[in-house]
Amino acid sequence: KAGVTQTPRYLIKTRGQQVTLSCSPISGHRSVSWYQQTPGQGLQFLFEYFSETQRNKGNFPGRFSGRQFSNSRSEMNVSTLELGDSALYLCASSILAGEAGELFFGEGSRLTVL
Amino acid sequence: AQKVTQAQTEISVVEKEDVTLDCVYETRDTTYYLFWYKQPPSGELVFLIRRNSFDEQNEISGRYSWNFQKSTSSFNFTITASQVVDSVVYFCALSEAQSGNTPLVFGKGTRLSVIA
Repeated sequence: KAGVTQTPRYLIKTRGQQVTLSCSPISGHRSVSWYQQTPGQGLQFLFEYFSETQRNKGNFPGRFSGRQFSNSRSEMNVSTLELGDSALYLCASSILAGEAGELFFGEGSRLTVL
Repeated sequence: AQKVTQAQTEISVVEKEDVTLDCVYETRDTTYYLFWYKQPPSGELVFLIRRNSFDEQNEISGRYSWNFQKSTSSFNFTITASQVVDSVVYFCALSEAQSGNTPLVFGKGTRLSVIA
């Protein structure tokens, strides 16, 4: 079956702009998590959604937001981009929320902020 | 607070050598899960193993083996007879489970280079 799909794969923005990233989970998976990966901070949890509700949120400013749709697809938005937002944004899905089970990751959206 | 430390940033070995990737964790929970993932150049993290805190049995899967020791808070990963295809980044991760499973906390990763 198809894996986790993230779009776009690469994008370049300038400071002050906003960006929306999309994630389509594996069919039947209802939980979607987002992680930010940077060389300095490593992998950091952004948020988790289950059944259109945010279940958990990491320690990121309010410029980072997300949502989940009824078909389990998720989007995350970053407003007023800063240089430090340049990162690989990874989406992961699982069947249920908080299972501590295997997460299935997409290949990520690589954001460059100039 | 939970924390995962992978002290080895990069490791280089010659093909067919055995290599051990270290992972040390910190948690106050008595119930937790430990994971290993790998990340190839394409970017996606690929699940390798999950261990719960009550199961200290070592596990072997092909050339991969894992040594979980609660006494030293370590969950080390050994690749036997390494191959060039093993040259990716490996991450150890922790999820606390005392009050509902928390999101994964990852170590900084270990980049393994296997030289032919």
